[in-house]
Amino acid sequence: GQQVMQIPQYQHVQEGEDFTTYCNSSTTLSNIQWYKQRPGGHPVFLIQLVKSGEVKKQKRLTFQFGEAKKNSSLHITATQTTDVGTYFCAVSGSARQLTFGSGTQLTVLP
Amino acid sequence: DAGVIQSPRHEVTEMGQEVTLRCKPISGHNSLFWYRQTMMRGLELLIYFNNNVPIDDSGMPEDRFSAKMPNASFSTLKIQPSEPRDSAVYFCASSPPGHANEKLFFGSGTQLSVL
Repeated sequence: GQQVMQIPQYQHVQEGEDFTTYCNSSTTLSNIQWYKQRPGGHPVFLIQLVKSGEVKKQKRLTFQFGEAKKNSSLHITATQTTDVGTYFCAVSGSARQLTFGSGTQLTVLP
Repeated sequence: DAGVIQSPRHEVTEMGQEVTLRCKPISGHNSLFWYRQTMMRGLELLIYFNNNVPIDDSGMPEDRFSAKMPNASFSTLKIQPSEPRDSAVYFCASSPPGHANEKLFFGSGTQLSVL
C-alpha cells in the first residue's frame, strides 16, 4: 500500500508554544487526510486536502498540502492542553484503501 | 445520531480461544473498515468492505483472522485461535457513499488482551 513518513514521532511543548507535524511521501498523492486521537480514544477526522498548495485553517490549526502533492503539514499555534493527543496523516493507496502514518504524539506541558 | 458502535469494549481471553468482535456502522454508510492499532505497528488496515463485499483483505495477518459483513448494518471480525500477539485495539470505521476512503468515522474500539 501507499507509504507515508510522519515526523516527529514525539513532541513535547510548553503550553502556548507552536507545534508542527509533517508527512512525506515519495510519490504524488491524490489527497491527504489528518486525524486526531486523544489518549485512550479513537481517531477523529480533522480535514482533507486535495489541491496542490492548498492551505486550510481550523481556528489555531493550519493544514498545508505541498505544491508537488508529496508532503503535508499540520501546524498548531499557541498550543493548549486540549491539543494533547496523537496526530495522524492518512493517504489513499492504489486500491483506495486508507493508510495511516505512524503519528506524532503531542504532549503539552502546563 | 449514533456513531459507529463496537462491542465488546474490552475482551480478555486465553490463548487458543475464539474471539469475535462486532461492529455496527453508521446508518447509510456503505464502506466499512477494520483496523488494528498497536504501539509497535501503529494503525494497520486489516480489511475493507464496500457494499458488504470485501474489497481488500491483504492486511489480514493470517488464516486465523476472518471478517464478514452479512448485511449493511453489521460486521464481525473473528480470530480463531487467538494468540498473545493478537493483543491490540481493534477499530471499526465506516464512511458514506461516494467517499469510500474519505472522512472515516471510527468506533470506540475493542481492547483485546490475549493471555
